[in-house]
Amino acid sequence: DGGITQSPKYLFRKEGQNVTLSCEQNLNHDAMYWYRQDPGQGLRLIYYSQIVNDFQKGDIAEGYSVSREKKESFPLTVTSAQKNPTAFYLCASSKGTEANEKLFFGSGTQLSVL
Amino acid sequence: QQQVKQSPQSLIVQKGGISIINCAYENTAFDYFPWYQQFPGKGPALLIAIRPDVSEKKEGRFTISFNKSAKQFSLHIMDSQPGDSATYFCAAFNFGNEKLTFGTGTRLTIIP
Repeated sequence: DGGITQSPKYLFRKEGQNVTLSCEQNLNHDAMYWYRQDPGQGLRLIYYSQIVNDFQKGDIAEGYSVSREKKESFPLTVTSAQKNPTAFYLCASSKGTEANEKLFFGSGTQLSVL
Repeated sequence: QQQVKQSPQSLIVQKGGISIINCAYENTAFDYFPWYQQFPGKGPALLIAIRPDVSEKKEGRFTISFNKSAKQFSLHIMDSQPGDSATYFCAAFNFGNEKLTFGTGTRLTIIP
């Protein structure tokens, strides 16, 4: 059963703490993405990766970091530099170059600040 | 700069009625226009999409109407059902830079 798995479903961050959100896909997709969803603001792109060991900043990358060491995994770290981290975070994937118009999303991680 | 404007922000429709959500774009380089449906606590899922060489695409109760000259497109849900209650996002894709831009979303509620 192919898909995208995000974990955890809910995550709480303390002041000054870094937290890492997991995203794993078994769709054999080349491209992976991280989006942030806030009420009334739609989906905003944080980082994306078209191939292993390469990634690019999206529209709101400040305060976040990513890695792409394996094709199936694209973890997102929310650092202490991100002052307003409370949001619903969505990971997505697409087949790759010339087939990136269709995104497949995971079920999201809700991050809240304690 | 928001390149895809979506309205309304929220919409309440009676069961059996027609739900209409509108989007407008500015960049003429966009050449693929999908709609995503998102249920609470879930990720969005591709619902229906259209390319600019056609003016309408229908899949079951869902129809996209596309007006290239006005740079507008809309989603129509016929015979709306309570199970259609969700947030809907329009989007626009540029095959040149392979970038997908989302609208701000519409929260649709279908009441009995």
